[in-house]
Amino acid sequence: QVQLVQSGAEVKKPGASVRVSCKASGYTFTTYYIHWVRQAPGQGLEWMGIINPTGGSTTYGQKFQGRVTMTRDTSTNTFYMELSSLRSEDTAEYYCARSYYDILNCDYWGQGTLVTVSS
Amino acid sequence: QSALTQPPSASGSPGQSVTISCTGTSSDVGGYNYVSWFQKEPGKAPKLLIYEVNKRPSGVPDRFAGSKSGNTAYLTVSGLQAEDEADYYCSSYAGDSRGVFGGGTKLTVL
Repeated sequence: QVQLVQSGAEVKKPGASVRVSCKASGYTFTTYYIHWVRQAPGQGLEWMGIINPTGGSTTYGQKFQGRVTMTRDTSTNTFYMELSSLRSEDTAEYYCARSYYDILNCDYWGQGTLVTVSS
Repeated sequence: QSALTQPPSASGSPGQSVTISCTGTSSDVGGYNYVSWFQKEPGKAPKLLIYEVNKRPSGVPDRFAGSKSGNTAYLTVSGLQAEDEADYYCSSYAGDSRGVFGGGTKLTVL
């Protein structure tokens, strides 16, 4: 069965970086794009960006340009999202999710990774 | 890219119908037939309810229906049930592989 399994919760200090992983299984890795979406406490869903598993090309949301890097490792079927220069406003649940085209119509989602930014 | 506009709340009694709107621009909702709707419950990952404006994934009840007119998309939930109480988010393709979500609507079943 299709699964996207994310890494565990993280606590980071302001200014640090965090890397969240998302391991895909149960489908052909190169067939589906991966989006990263976050939800801060009490806030709505926010699209961060997308990575094409074939070739690794990325598109990032304007808000995250310069601070986010999305990569993939084809040898382990794992996607990564790294966010740098963390601030308290980055405290959120981070999700990876797949879509067949580069369209935000994701049918399977990871379980979420809570990132807490606190001094 | 600005978030799509949704009403913050909606409500209805069991058995009734409720419609949630999602307003964007000609650069997103109005420009493409790639509007999706997600149901989000606390502590759970979002669940895809509707894609490509009005298509339902396997397993989603036909009580959920999507439509679009111009720059505004709609999610209609018919025959409201207590289990439908959740947050609902629309999303749209915004060109150049970009996506955008709405601000979310909290649906209360009275």
